[in-house]
Amino acid sequence: SQELEQSPQSLIVQEGKNLTINCTSSKTLYGLYWYKQKYGEGLIFLMMLQKGGEEKSHEKITAKLDEKKQQSSLHITASQPSHAGIYLCGADYNQGGKLIFGQGTELSVKP
Amino acid sequence: DAGITQSPRHKVTETGTPVTLRCHQTENHRYMYWYRQDPGHGLRLIHYSYGVKDTDKGEVSDGYSVSRSKTEDFLLTLESATSSQTSVYFCASTPRGDSGNTIYFGEGSWLTVV
Repeated sequence: SQELEQSPQSLIVQEGKNLTINCTSSKTLYGLYWYKQKYGEGLIFLMMLQKGGEEKSHEKITAKLDEKKQQSSLHITASQPSHAGIYLCGADYNQGGKLIFGQGTELSVKP
Repeated sequence: DAGITQSPRHKVTETGTPVTLRCHQTENHRYMYWYRQDPGHGLRLIHYSYGVKDTDKGEVSDGYSVSRSKTEDFLLTLESATSSQTSVYFCASTPRGDSGNTIYFGEGSWLTVV
């Protein structure tokens, strides 16, 4: 969707390196969801951000929502092969739980 | 994650045949959704439900119908499958429709129409 742009589309990093994935909305977000998808599997919920400036962490993954609530970043510290997969951001524009998704970022982590 | 199961997980069907995918959740969530995932398009909403017998269309609803006769079950039907409906289908659910609720997804149903 043009409402939500996710970048980069793909990323190859060496194990142990840090990386950032961005998700930019054309309008103000009510919420921003991050999911991880392993190949051939379902979506695993990572984090949901609502407030401007909010930051959440889970293990080595940190997600932030900017003050204007139009951009979110997902940062992985010291990447591991287990981090490989497709990361998806989903935008909540306060429409009954319906999400608009970015096209996803395919992450490969080389040992 | 919430108890969302989809069936069948994999199906191959012929063009023109009807197909029904089932989504079952055990969390008593009021809102349920069907998405399809295609390369280059990400996930797109097909239909959603905000309660028993209350459904509405999403972004890509043509060729699909849904039914929700019980809180726990949300069925997606392809009345006459076409090759363009070859896709991965995901069901999702959440307790309420207002912002701030975790939205859980099922494991997906891989459908191939030949």
